[in-house]
Amino acid sequence: GENVEQHPSTLSVQEGDSAVIKCTYSDSASNYFPWYKQELGKGPQLIIDIRSNVGEKKDQRIAVTLNKTAKHFSLHITETQPEDSAVYFCAASLNSGYSTLTFGKGTMLLVSP
Amino acid sequence: DAGVIQSPRHEVTEMGQEVTLRCKPISGHDYLFWYRQTMMRGLELLIYFNNNVPIDDSGMPEDRFSAKMPNASFSTLKIQPSEPRDSAVYFCASSFPSGGFADTQYFGPGTRLTVL
Repeated sequence: GENVEQHPSTLSVQEGDSAVIKCTYSDSASNYFPWYKQELGKGPQLIIDIRSNVGEKKDQRIAVTLNKTAKHFSLHITETQPEDSAVYFCAASLNSGYSTLTFGKGTMLLVSP
Repeated sequence: DAGVIQSPRHEVTEMGQEVTLRCKPISGHDYLFWYRQTMMRGLELLIYFNNNVPIDDSGMPEDRFSAKMPNASFSTLKIQPSEPRDSAVYFCASSFPSGGFADTQYFGPGTRLTVL
């Protein structure tokens, strides 16, 4: 089955800096890659996703890049703010019939004022 | 929409007791997922349903765990008997895949279970 590795497990940045979280996946057939943000005491919420026919996708301060050849994808957050502090999860899924998401172990991002 | 609703939000019980967690998915969503989250293992998929039918329960850790979905608006996850190692946060999520493919999963707030 699919295996998703996520790095780093923790990331501390100063407000205004950029943050990058990286994930690798094992199944070359995977072609749906969402990112979820989990705030303390809440369930994960989708913040951005990308499908394999796209190499990059942006939404305001967040962006995701995908390299299918290398089987890795990354989340980029620019101009970080304290409210970006949370745990971020990447996931991967096959796009054939219905397939479940395989999640990475998560990255705790701490943005200091 | 109120989103995915889970109850209770917190549950503290003693080893050997039966625990029932409840979930109401978003109206119109035809997929429902149960996850367990721990520091050691992260987010693990336990079981998922499509149109109230269990599709894959390979993630259910033991026979002590069971899940049902009697109708489109309600699901339960039961642990009997509970053990301390079952302590975790349990999430329910629902989705309405477009075109039959994986799509956004909407998570509930979770139930924090503590088994003493």
